[in-house]
Amino acid sequence: AQRVTQPEKLLSVFKGAPVELKCNYSYSGSPELFWYVQYSRQRLQLLLRHISRESIKGFTADLNKGETSFHLKKPFAQEEDSAMYYCALRNYGGSQGNLIFGKGTKLSVKP
Amino acid sequence: DAEITQSPRHKITETGRQVTLACHQTWNHNNMFWYRQDLGHGLRLIHYSYGVQDTNKGEVSDGYSVSRSNTEDLPLTLESAASSQTSVYFCASSEWRDQGYTFGSGTRLTVV
Repeated sequence: AQRVTQPEKLLSVFKGAPVELKCNYSYSGSPELFWYVQYSRQRLQLLLRHISRESIKGFTADLNKGETSFHLKKPFAQEEDSAMYYCALRNYGGSQGNLIFGKGTKLSVKP
Repeated sequence: DAEITQSPRHKITETGRQVTLACHQTWNHNNMFWYRQDLGHGLRLIHYSYGVQDTNKGEVSDGYSVSRSNTEDLPLTLESAASSQTSVYFCASSEWRDQGYTFGSGTRLTVV
């Protein structure tokens, strides 16, 4: 079954420290993966997706098919990065594919 | 500007009542989705639609229904509200599979 695992419910770091939010997936084919962010009391926003290989707000994520991972990284965390982060996998079971979300990781960046 | 809006933002209802949450998008997207967000569970798919007159069950569809009579709207109905349906509900839309979702701002539903 297709699944997304985010092992950490909460990740707390100090400002300026590196951040890595872990995401592992189970899928037998070529995965399509996303990271979404939800700031306090706001809607979920697309942060990045692996096919575009872009860097948004200093965050990057590399797909590692060998380890079935798509970890989100940022070299220097900022207080405004504090938010809930969700990793998502495209479900190709449907004709157009809905997204399967992980349970999320709450990132807290302390001053 | 195109947008996706949900209403109401907050709703308190009693057990057993029928409740309908609205979702309206002006992106002209074919695909629309309803998720519920719960602590410890993340986002779980309730129902989704790939076009007018098309509806499909998601992971947690029991007790919920949707209808798609036009492109813009996908209302979510709780047939007989239960306390277990207290949650934050998010609607989302997308044009095609090569895009991510655009989410609404959510509806916080409390069933007492």
